[in-house]
Amino acid sequence: DGGITQSPKYLFRKEGQNVTLSCEQNLNHDAMYWYRQDPGQGLRLIYYSQIVNDFQKGDIAEGYSVSREKKESFPLTVTSAQKNPTAFYLCASRATGGYGYTFGSGTRLTVV
Amino acid sequence: AQSVAQPEDQVNVAEGNPLTVKCTYSVSGNPYLFWYVQYPNRGLQFLLKYITGDNLVKGSYGFEAEFNKSQTSFHLKKPSALVSDSALYFCAVRVNQAGTALIFGKGTTLSVSS
Repeated sequence: DGGITQSPKYLFRKEGQNVTLSCEQNLNHDAMYWYRQDPGQGLRLIYYSQIVNDFQKGDIAEGYSVSREKKESFPLTVTSAQKNPTAFYLCASRATGGYGYTFGSGTRLTVV
Repeated sequence: AQSVAQPEDQVNVAEGNPLTVKCTYSVSGNPYLFWYVQYPNRGLQFLLKYITGDNLVKGSYGFEAEFNKSQTSFHLKKPSALVSDSALYFCAVRVNQAGTALIFGKGTTLSVSS
């Protein structure tokens, strides 16, 4: 079945460490997105990419980095510069010209 | 700036009663509007969308929403609530010409009591 896979489901990070969240899709979608979800704040856009080797900052990009070397993959790195990284992270994709967005099941990141 | 407002943090209804979850938006340009539902520690599931055409949109699981351009609203409704409808609901908007990412409201928790 086509879909988006996010891994791991749960991730623990020590202070000062970088961690990378994986997002893979087999839907042949061109556009991919990363959102951060905090209680009571909805989903906020971190980065998005409309084509391979190109990406744009969203509203809260500071402390995060991404790459888009393959159409299927859009990994998100949470760097040590992100002061409050504990959150639920959601990846999504969309076909060019399409209206539907498909979401992954999320990764819950906790700083310990 | 583009934005979506969900004025109620929580909506409580009894099973069998009609439910409404409110959403208003502020965009420049023609909006594409969406409703998603989220269960604990899960991703978002698509319920329905308005792109163009009939203002009343029917979606999954018996939900519907009405696009009201003059009031800039897109309220989610269901004639008869089920306990299993209890979840977190998000309204989102995309502006066709300004970009492709969805802008989300803060979410409304729906609680249906038996």
